[in-house]
Amino acid sequence: GPKVLQIPSHQIIDMGQMVTLNCDPVSNHLYFYWYKQILGQQMEFLVNFYNGKVMEKSKLFKDQFSVERPDGSYFTLKIQPTALEDSAVYFCASSPYEQYFGPGTRLTVL
Amino acid sequence: QQQVRQSPQSLTVWEGETAILNCSYEDSTFNYFPWYQQFPGEGPALLISIRSVSDKKEDGRFTIFFNKREKKLSLHITDSQPGDSATYFCAAGGGSNAKLTFGKGTKLSVKS
Repeated sequence: GPKVLQIPSHQIIDMGQMVTLNCDPVSNHLYFYWYKQILGQQMEFLVNFYNGKVMEKSKLFKDQFSVERPDGSYFTLKIQPTALEDSAVYFCASSPYEQYFGPGTRLTVL
Repeated sequence: QQQVRQSPQSLTVWEGETAILNCSYEDSTFNYFPWYQQFPGEGPALLISIRSVSDKKEDGRFTIFFNKREKKLSLHITDSQPGDSATYFCAAGGGSNAKLTFGKGTKLSVKS
């Protein structure tokens, strides 16, 4: 099926630092999403993005979070500053209608 | 409030048997229900999906049965294979490109 790529696969940072997670969505997809999965739990929606704008965000999408996709490049999730509870696997998805997920970025905040 | 529930939490079947994974939901605005298969260390892969206008969707060994009145659905995996061993997530969405709400998953083990 369609491939969504995520870079990096793992990221370890100190609490308070900034981190940017990168997503390379399927080329003709127009809708983009970030989900968060804590080990052993279900995935939870963070935000979706279309036409350069955030369409909807959840309570998990804190003020320290931001998303953008400048000039059709990577769709990014930036966390600044990071907190211990941000440690999780973050999945990017893109869709024409059905959502296709990337392999995830495992973020560890120390 | 957990809007999508899955049962059982884990399931073990023998190779060749039919595995039945259950899902229920609360929000009547949900009209799209994909199932995702996830292997350890990987992202969820879309397996099969159904829209609420249908009561059954079949794709090879995978079939979704949907009961709108009871807000329940199930995934049947016939002729289960060891390679089907994975965690299966039921999800629900409210329309085109809407966010998905996931269940906690069913971990399936297929023994040979």
